[in-house]
Amino acid sequence: DAEITQSPRHKITETGRQVTLACHQTWNHNNMFWYRQDLGHGLRLIHYSYGVQDTNKGEVSDGYSVSRSNTEDLPLTLESAASSQTSVYFCASSEERTGVREQFFGPGTRLTVL
Amino acid sequence: AQSVAQPEDQVNVAEGNPLTVKCTYSVSGNPYLFWYVQYPNRGLQFLLKYITGDNLVKGSYGFEAEFNKSQTSFHLKKPSALVSDSALYFCAVRELGFQKLVFGTGTRLLVSP
Repeated sequence: DAEITQSPRHKITETGRQVTLACHQTWNHNNMFWYRQDLGHGLRLIHYSYGVQDTNKGEVSDGYSVSRSNTEDLPLTLESAASSQTSVYFCASSEERTGVREQFFGPGTRLTVL
Repeated sequence: AQSVAQPEDQVNVAEGNPLTVKCTYSVSGNPYLFWYVQYPNRGLQFLLKYITGDNLVKGSYGFEAEFNKSQTSFHLKKPSALVSDSALYFCAVRELGFQKLVFGTGTRLLVSP
């Protein structure tokens, strides 16, 4: 079955370190998204991509970057981790070639920045 | 700009009773509306969506939602709650021409036996 996976599931890092969170989907979806989930804020969009070589900033993109070199993967990089980036991160994907479709979510990565 | 409000942080209901989780939205054009559920330590699972047509949308696990354009609302409902429905529920909106979702802050549903 097609799926969307994230790794690692849990990560502890130190302030100032570079961290990359992986997202891999086997749905062959064009659209991929990264969100962070924080208490009282719901899910907020970090970056998104509508296809290979396409990336766009979301509402909370400062300190994060993404690259899309193939359809399946959208890694999220924290250039210099900060304590404010402690959060749960979710990757999602969707496909709209046949109409408005829902997004499918990965299981999440819990990141702690000490 | 698109926005979603979920006015209740938590909803408590007894098993077997009907439940409602409220959602209001703001968009400049026609909305696409979604409900997702999140169980502990899991990702979000899609429940249902409103695109166009019938204002009453039926979804997974016996849930339904009513789209009300005049009140800009999209409340989630279920006629008879189960303890297993206890989870965090998110409403989300997007506009025609955009593929980004804007989420509400979530409502925790607690169904007591």
